[in-house]
Parts: sequence; C-alpha cells; structure tokens
Amino acid sequence: DGGITQSPKYLFRKEGQNVTLSCEQNLNHDAMYWYRQDPGQGLRLIYYSQIVNDFQKGDIAEGYSVSREKKESFPLTVTSAQKNPTAFYLCASSPGTGGEQYFGPGTRLTVT
Amino acid sequence: GEDVEQSLFLSVREGDSSVINCTYTDSSSTYLYWYKQEPGAGLQLLTYIFSNMDMKQDQRLTVLLNKKDKHLSLRIADTQTGDSAIYFCGSGGSYIPTFGRGTSLIVHP
Repeated sequence: DGGITQSPKYLFRKEGQNVTLSCEQNLNHDAMYWYRQDPGQGLRLIYYSQIVNDFQKGDIAEGYSVSREKKESFPLTVTSAQKNPTAFYLCASSPGTGGEQYFGPGTRLTVT
Repeated sequence: GEDVEQSLFLSVREGDSSVINCTYTDSSSTYLYWYKQEPGAGLQLLTYIFSNMDMKQDQRLTVLLNKKDKHLSLRIADTQTGDSAIYFCGSGGSYIPTFGRGTSLIVHP
C-alpha cells in the first residue's frame, strides 16, 4: 500500500526547543518537499530535495533544517530560531519534474 | 516568479454547479492541477490537465483551460455537502510546483 506518511499528527513543544517532524514515502519518488500552511496563506515552500543527499531552500527556510540521507525519508527540524513555528506542516513527494505531488496527512505543531 | 491566483471563497447551494477559477503566469507550465484539502488533512490530487488540452472531464469534474488567457477553471456538477473543502490550483513545468492560496468551497442545503 504505497503512500506518504507523516508523524506525529499533533506535536506540542515549549518555546526554545528544537523539534523534528517525520516524513516517509514508499512511492519511489525522487523529489520531496516541505510546506508550511497558515490560515488564509496557502502553502509556503520551506525546503525541497530533488535527489538523495541534496536539498534546496524554499521561500521560508529560515529557522528550519532538513536532511535527505535516504530516498524514502525527508525529516524537517524546526529550530528555536524559527520565530513563529506554530503551523500545519505538509510533506509531499513527486516522481519528477513538474509532476503531480502526493501529500502526507500533515503535522500540526503547537509551540507555547 | 510564477504566480497563481484564486478567489478565496465560493458559496453554493447543494445540487448546483460550482465553478472555481484560477489564473497563472507561468506560460511554460506543462501540467495544471486541482487539489482538494479537507479540514485537518493533506492535499489530494483531484485532476490535472495537460497544457495542450482545452478541456478534461472526469465524472462530475470538468476542467477548462484557456492557455491564451492563462485561465483555468474547475466545474463541479451537482455539488454535494461532501464537496465542501479548500481547492488549490497548481501549475507544474518547472521543478517546483506553484500553488494558489486556495478557494474555500462552502456547500449549504
């Protein structure tokens, strides 16, 4: 049963702590993406990776970091430098250039 | 850079048709997509159209593309309460797809 998974669904952290969001896919897709969604803002691209061991900053990368050590996995770390981390985070993958994206169910992060 | 614009809200009565509109700027887009997002969930690909097509029909969904005006629309026939969601228009052709801000479709009895 192919798909893309994110865990956990809900995450609570105290301000000043780093937190890592998991994203795994078994679709054999080369490209993976992280988006942030705030109410009324649509999707904003944080980071993307076209291939293992390579990733690029998106529009709002400050305060975030990623790694792509395996094709299946693209974890996102929200660091304490991110000024307003509370949001809904979506991970996606696609087979290649311009291709349709498959999204995970999302992780809602709340930082207090 | 590329830009995709959508109206933010649409309210329709159950059983009516819904038409969600989108304009884009990237003339090199190869594909144009429509995604649906239900509350608290990820985006689900609804349908897509190649840039060399004018229309695509898939059951209750009809996509119209006016490439000259860079205008895309999604028509949902016989709209049901289960169609209430946010609909995103997206363009592909470069490596990084571009999305609109989403249109909230509200279906009322």
